[in-house]
Amino acid sequence: GAVVSQHPSWVICKSGTSVKIECRSLDFQATTMFWYRQFPKQSLMLMATSNEGSKATYEQGVEKDKFLINHASLTLSTLTVTSAHPEDSSFYICSAARTGTVTDTQYFGPGTRLTVL
Amino acid sequence: AQKVTQAQTEISVVEKEDVTLDCVYETRDTTYYLFWYKQPPSGELVFLIRRNSFDEQNEISGRYSWNFQKSTSSFNFTITASQVVDSAVYFCALIQGQNAGNMLTFGGGTRLMVKP
Repeated sequence: GAVVSQHPSWVICKSGTSVKIECRSLDFQATTMFWYRQFPKQSLMLMATSNEGSKATYEQGVEKDKFLINHASLTLSTLTVTSAHPEDSSFYICSAARTGTVTDTQYFGPGTRLTVL
Repeated sequence: AQKVTQAQTEISVVEKEDVTLDCVYETRDTTYYLFWYKQPPSGELVFLIRRNSFDEQNEISGRYSWNFQKSTSSFNFTITASQVVDSAVYFCALIQGQNAGNMLTFGGGTRLMVKP
């Protein structure tokens, strides 16, 4: 159990277009989901915390108008990179914390590799 | 504020050698959870272990072992008889408090290369 999926696994887009990435918890409900960005040979950097039914909390330096997060249900959160530019090319990873547990682990999706041309 | 430091950015060993990956953490909370994750070249994070702040027992799982020492704020990870398949980036991470919905802070990662 505790599987998190991401779609798409990779995407290539032109500069100026928007890209939507989905994160789903397949066999559990997740009140809280997290979005991370990872540049080559670097660690994961938290972008935002997403709670079901409320606005996401963004980390300092992350543009909320550029990275739109929607957590419309207990099993789905989406990250939309609006007007993507080459510097947004990165590996985006989501994680989900299982609802109703106090001490459970966050479960990670397989990541989405975004390349902006 | 919490912080996780992995001082070793890259380690290279020959197969069958033992290797220890260091992790030092900082937190003001008395309740916290420590994790180790493995990230192979595919990119997907693989959960290895979770340890809470009240359980200082060391743990062994096959060739993997973990040494948690609150006195030195360290949570080191040892791979015994390393194999080529162990080559990956390993991350140590911390959640402050006891809610999985709290923020997970990652260390910078240690890239382990095991040569045949």
